[in-house]
Amino acid sequence: GAVVSQHPSWVICKSGTSVKIECRSLDFQATTMFWYRQFPKQSLMLMATSNEGSKATYEQGVEKDKFLINHASLTLSTLTVTSAHPEDSSFYICSAPRSPQETQYFGPGTRLLVL
Amino acid sequence: AQSVTQPDIHITVSEGASLELRCNYSYGATPYLFWYVQSPGQGLQLLLKYFSGDTLVQGIKGFEAEFKRSQSSFNLRKPSVHWSDAAEYFCARGGAGNMLTFGGGTRLMVKP
Repeated sequence: GAVVSQHPSWVICKSGTSVKIECRSLDFQATTMFWYRQFPKQSLMLMATSNEGSKATYEQGVEKDKFLINHASLTLSTLTVTSAHPEDSSFYICSAPRSPQETQYFGPGTRLLVL
Repeated sequence: AQSVTQPDIHITVSEGASLELRCNYSYGATPYLFWYVQSPGQGLQLLLKYFSGDTLVQGIKGFEAEFKRSQSSFNLRKPSVHWSDAAEYFCARGGAGNMLTFGGGTRLMVKP
């Protein structure tokens, strides 16, 4: 069964609003989670590493004020897209490493459409 | 920087035929290598992984992959493809801090 969940699975919002996406590890703790963005027919691009109890680490070119990440507990990380614009429309996927050998398990993704 | 290359963007095979999806990684220490499958509009499902030991790795859904250090490759294979295997396949390499570097993906289409 699924080991990582995301909510919501899809969201449509107006330009200028903020959207929060949740990523939860089910029945295991994750001090680190990862957020990816995927454009249609393209590969996954790592946006940031979410660290429980400390600031997230953002990849080059990703605006930290635009994509706010909070790792509030060992099972929950949230990604908030602030003041969303149509170009932020994308498929957002999170992952969490789980033992053994810290294999990454991925959430089902959240499709965001900004009108 | 580490990189992963999937040379084939699209592959079409007939149902029942064998399949091989190519993956090459940049040279470095023995890598952690993964194959994931993604159905349309969904997240990624782990097919198999290689960390060490036997270079031929068995995965779910009848897939296997072989790690070849001399060729810096980790190709995915399946002896007989089913229509339900049509999807996007991603090869990935593990790095520091559990980060993954993904290849560009290969879209598999299955002809009836």
